[in-house]
Amino acid sequence: RKEVEQDPGPFNVPEGATVAFNCTYSNSASQSFFWYRQDCRKEPKLLMSVYSSGNEDGRFTAQLNRASQYISLLIRDSKLSDSATYLCAVNGRKSSGDKLTFGTGTRLAVRP
Amino acid sequence: GAGVSQSPSNKVTEKGKDVELRCDPISGHTALYWYRQRLGQGLEFLIYFQGNSAPDKSGLPSDRFSAERTGESVSTLTIQRTQQEDSAVYLCASSLGRDRFSYEQYFGPGTRLTVT
Repeated sequence: RKEVEQDPGPFNVPEGATVAFNCTYSNSASQSFFWYRQDCRKEPKLLMSVYSSGNEDGRFTAQLNRASQYISLLIRDSKLSDSATYLCAVNGRKSSGDKLTFGTGTRLAVRP
Repeated sequence: GAGVSQSPSNKVTEKGKDVELRCDPISGHTALYWYRQRLGQGLEFLIYFQGNSAPDKSGLPSDRFSAERTGESVSTLTIQRTQQEDSAVYLCASSLGRDRFSYEQYFGPGTRLTVT
C-alpha cells in the first residue's frame, strides 16, 4: 500500500458546484497534514494545513479522520480559477523527521 | 518576505554534461528539500537537510546525484553525466523545521532541466 494515496481524477464540475477530495494515508502515527494546490507548470503552493478539529478558509474546508486515516478537502461554490491539481501531504514515519510524503494529486477541472 | 528562489529557471544541457542547480531557502528555515517532478507525474523526494544533521539522501536515484548545503543557507544539487531521463523540473522547498515545530513546506519556482 502506498503511504499516501489520492484519486487522480480528473473531477469535472460546473461552476458553483461543491466538490470533495479524499486522501488516505497508511501511517497511523502521522501528525501533520496539508493540502497543496499546483497549477500547470507551476510549483505547489500551500493551500491549507489540516488540523485535528478541522478547519475552514473561505470556500475551502479541510478535515482529518484519524480513525479511517484520511484527510479531505471540500471546495464550495467552485470557480473556474479553482481548476488545478490538489496534492495532499502527510508527515510520515517518526524516523523521517520533517519529511512530507506527497500524494500524486487529484486534478480538478471547473467548467463554465 | 522573500520566498524560496531557484536558479537557473531553465537549463538545457547535452547528455553527459554535469549540471548544478541552486536553491536559496526562506531565511530562518532550518529544513530544505529537493524534489524531482517529471512531466505529468507526482513529486519524487530526492534529499532533505535539517539544520546541521546528516542529510537524508534516501531519495537520490543514483550516485550521479549529490547535494550540499552550508549551514542553513544555500543548497546546490549536482547531477553528473546527465542522462535524458534526468529531464524534469527540480523543485526545492524549505520549512521552519522540527526545531520550530512547523513542517509546512514552501516551494521555489523550480528549475526545468532538459537533457538533449
